[in-house]
Amino acid sequence: EAGVTQFPSHSVIEKGQTVTLRCDPISGHDNLYWYRRVMGKEIKFLLHFVKESKQDESGMPNNRFLAERTGGTYSTLKVQPAELEDSGVYFCASSQEGLGNSPLHFGNGTRLTVT
Amino acid sequence: AQSVAQPEDQVNVAEGNPLTVKCTYSVSGNPYLFWYVQYPNRGLQFLLKYITGDNLVKGSYGFEAEFNKSQTSFHLKKPSALVSDSALYFCAVRDTGFQKLVFGTGTRLLVSP
Repeated sequence: EAGVTQFPSHSVIEKGQTVTLRCDPISGHDNLYWYRRVMGKEIKFLLHFVKESKQDESGMPNNRFLAERTGGTYSTLKVQPAELEDSGVYFCASSQEGLGNSPLHFGNGTRLTVT
Repeated sequence: AQSVAQPEDQVNVAEGNPLTVKCTYSVSGNPYLFWYVQYPNRGLQFLLKYITGDNLVKGSYGFEAEFNKSQTSFHLKKPSALVSDSALYFCAVRDTGFQKLVFGTGTRLLVSP
């Protein structure tokens, strides 16, 4: 089966610009998550979708971040306008069931650099 | 709030020797604990989990982890390290009542030939 795919793998943008990250989960996985690792620190939760519904967006840093999952398939994460502190690696993950029953499958991540 | 601590930024071990990567946790209620590994330029891969049952959990690639409730630890172990085990290892706990993981800062494992 194809894994979780993320586009682009790298993105370098200037402060104030907009960037959109895309995640294609494993087919049939209703649960989709976004996580972020900043400056080599811990990986932090951003939000969780079940199908097209946001179940938990408590980790979203501020209103410059917007995540969507139209149709319950792929998801996008838009940062507008980007700030320097947004630099980091953004991971997407999907699972068939909840965390207790099935593991998270992670994509390779998108490395975002804001200059 | 749930939290995970990985006290070592890096662990060095010679190939063939046993390895331990340490993890301690703080949770309210029963913990769901996980280990993930990240190889260079790749995403995180699931190694093993503890939900309930035997304290010794066996996972992928010959790794195992021991759940110790009294010490609130979930150390990752392998009897004989391989050079190919060199990677970044993350311990995580499920945030109680939520479908999200709280990760540690990661431990880089370097296995020398």
